[in-house]
Amino acid sequence: QKEVEQNSGPLSVPEGAIASLNCTYSDRGSQSFFWYRQYSGKSPELIMFIYSNGDKEDGRFTAQLNKASQYVSLLIRDSQPSDSATYLCAVNDYSGSARQLTFGSGTQLTVLP
Amino acid sequence: EAQVTQNPRYLITVTGKKLTVTCSQNMNHEYMSWYRQDPGLGLRQIYYSMNVEVTDKGDVPEGYKVSRKEKRNFPLILESPSPNQTSLYFCASSFMNQPQHFGDGTRLSIL
Repeated sequence: QKEVEQNSGPLSVPEGAIASLNCTYSDRGSQSFFWYRQYSGKSPELIMFIYSNGDKEDGRFTAQLNKASQYVSLLIRDSQPSDSATYLCAVNDYSGSARQLTFGSGTQLTVLP
Repeated sequence: EAQVTQNPRYLITVTGKKLTVTCSQNMNHEYMSWYRQDPGLGLRQIYYSMNVEVTDKGDVPEGYKVSRKEKRNFPLILESPSPNQTSLYFCASSFMNQPQHFGDGTRLSIL
């Protein structure tokens, strides 16, 4: 059984600070990594995806991947109250005949004004 | 507009009464999937489909059925619903190994 673990939270940061969300995964064969944001009662919305080791930046968001350590993180710079949501880490094993995304249980982030 | 459409959005029903939650996508995606989301458990996959007439079990398939007769539709069937299937359900679709697009969700309560 593939596992995806996220720091349980909840995580609170002041407005303008950097929020750091972490995720580890058990399957060393995992190939693709996704961060979704989910507001309460809403559907998950894709924030970032990363396939290669290193950093990937998109606006205020940076995804970091370290396949050797089986670790992926999401940094949110200049956090805003509108960033308050649950962040879901998801992993794809790219296996042709297997199911796709395995999700972590999510980290709830609150950005305090 | 590209979208994944689920119906109904909310449903309250009783134990044992068969129900179907429909899911339709207009993006010509090969891959479609159903998830349930419960507090503290995250999103768990119920069934997925890699293409028409190709379906397979996810992590929690017991008590559910699916079919994929057309590329755009992937209904979730609960033939004899029970209270432990009370949950928030999401349908998603994508091209193979690409990020998934989620529907707005169906909140299902079984009394």
